[in-house]
Amino acid sequence: DTGVSQDPRHKITKRGQNVTFRCDPISEHNRLYWYRQTLGQGPEFLTYFQNEAQLEKSRLLSDRFSAERPKGSFSTLEIQRTEQGDSAMYLCASSLGDRPNYGYTFGSGTRLTVV
Amino acid sequence: RKEVEQDPGPFNVPEGATVAFNCTYSNSASQSFFWYRQDCRKEPKLLMSVYSSGNEDGRFTAQLNRASQYISLLIRDSKLSDSATYLCVVTGGNQGGKLIFGQGTELSVKP
Repeated sequence: DTGVSQDPRHKITKRGQNVTFRCDPISEHNRLYWYRQTLGQGPEFLTYFQNEAQLEKSRLLSDRFSAERPKGSFSTLEIQRTEQGDSAMYLCASSLGDRPNYGYTFGSGTRLTVV
Repeated sequence: RKEVEQDPGPFNVPEGATVAFNCTYSNSASQSFFWYRQDCRKEPKLLMSVYSSGNEDGRFTAQLNRASQYISLLIRDSKLSDSATYLCVVTGGNQGGKLIFGQGTELSVKP
């Protein structure tokens, strides 16, 4: 499978616990994006990387959120001290440069439920 | 005000109907425009890009009016399989290549 893969697909956690999600982009894609989507809304931008550099972070990304892409390949998104409001689908996407017309591919997402 | 706003849904139409979705965006520096389709509990997938000259892909026609900052999608002869959420998306300008999504409009095509 040469698409974007995300792990896990589903995560249920208790409030206050830390969670970490992983995204493996398409291998030749140098850009990697994280989005969050809640029910009835479109995906909201969280952050993106070009290679290993984190170039932009949304104001939505509070201090409890951190993302890394240490070797410019896979990325992790960690949420510390989870809150019920963090329940959402977390989507990862990758692209080759800023060519969204045909190089922007989403993974299947990680659905987080905080109880 | 949201950067990208779409018609509220859902749209419930019979098979064979023509349905139109509208979208407005607030950043005049936006450079690229798209419609994405998202099936229930799945990831968004690119449906088509949108150009100022208008473009068509089978039953789907997209239009862009830069002066009005308005984007549309027309679906002709709708099929049951067109049932999904349609997301209006813009990028470019000072947005660093990231996609900015509208909230989506749900379409349900009934037999």
